[in-house]
Amino acid sequence: RKEVEQDPGPFNVPEGATVAFNCTYSNSASQSFFWYRQDCRKEPKLLMSVYSSGNEDGRFTAQLNRASQYISLLIRDSKLSDSATYLCVVSDFSGGYNKLIFGAGTRLAVHP
Amino acid sequence: GAGVSQTPSNKVTEKGKYVELRCDPISGHTALYWYRQSLGQGPEFLIYFQGTGAADDSGLPNDRFFAVRPEGSVSTLKIQRTERGDSAVYLCASSLTPRDGYTFGSGTRLTVV
Repeated sequence: RKEVEQDPGPFNVPEGATVAFNCTYSNSASQSFFWYRQDCRKEPKLLMSVYSSGNEDGRFTAQLNRASQYISLLIRDSKLSDSATYLCVVSDFSGGYNKLIFGAGTRLAVHP
Repeated sequence: GAGVSQTPSNKVTEKGKYVELRCDPISGHTALYWYRQSLGQGPEFLIYFQGTGAADDSGLPNDRFFAVRPEGSVSTLKIQRTERGDSAVYLCASSLTPRDGYTFGSGTRLTVV
């Protein structure tokens, strides 16, 4: 079983739609949680950190449920420019450093 | 430089050859990481350097893979006797300290034919 599991998609949605991505992780010692965005043939870039209290950044809302080891990302009012792969990422500091563990990613395609 | 620089951006090599991939981190960043991303997968951890030393090389797949960072800045990932299964994008990242967030380079796309 992979440490971080995501639905691979693709999610094909029209502009303006609301779309939700889910992710589960297996290591209960994980301490930090993130969503990264990766455009085709580009490097991953941090979209947002995820906190237990939930956090919002414009049209993006992320949520963490530590008890269920579950992370979510909600995108409201989708734009064409949101088309990308969204990577769920967890990290632990058990080795004394920030080691990132990536899911396989969920592909989003927003169409006109 | 302003970001993490990786060279070459693309490398095509024949099976069995030796390759070197270079990473130039952000100036002053002490932590450096190598990841490998295969098609349709997320990046997978290979190795972490703190300064000049490889503090965690548990992600290197086998002894054909080796990485160095002799002066604590530039790092080179070396792959001997390349195999077709080594084809992937090799990503380098650096961070100011081991507990900080990463900045990724744009990667080296390695194709073994």
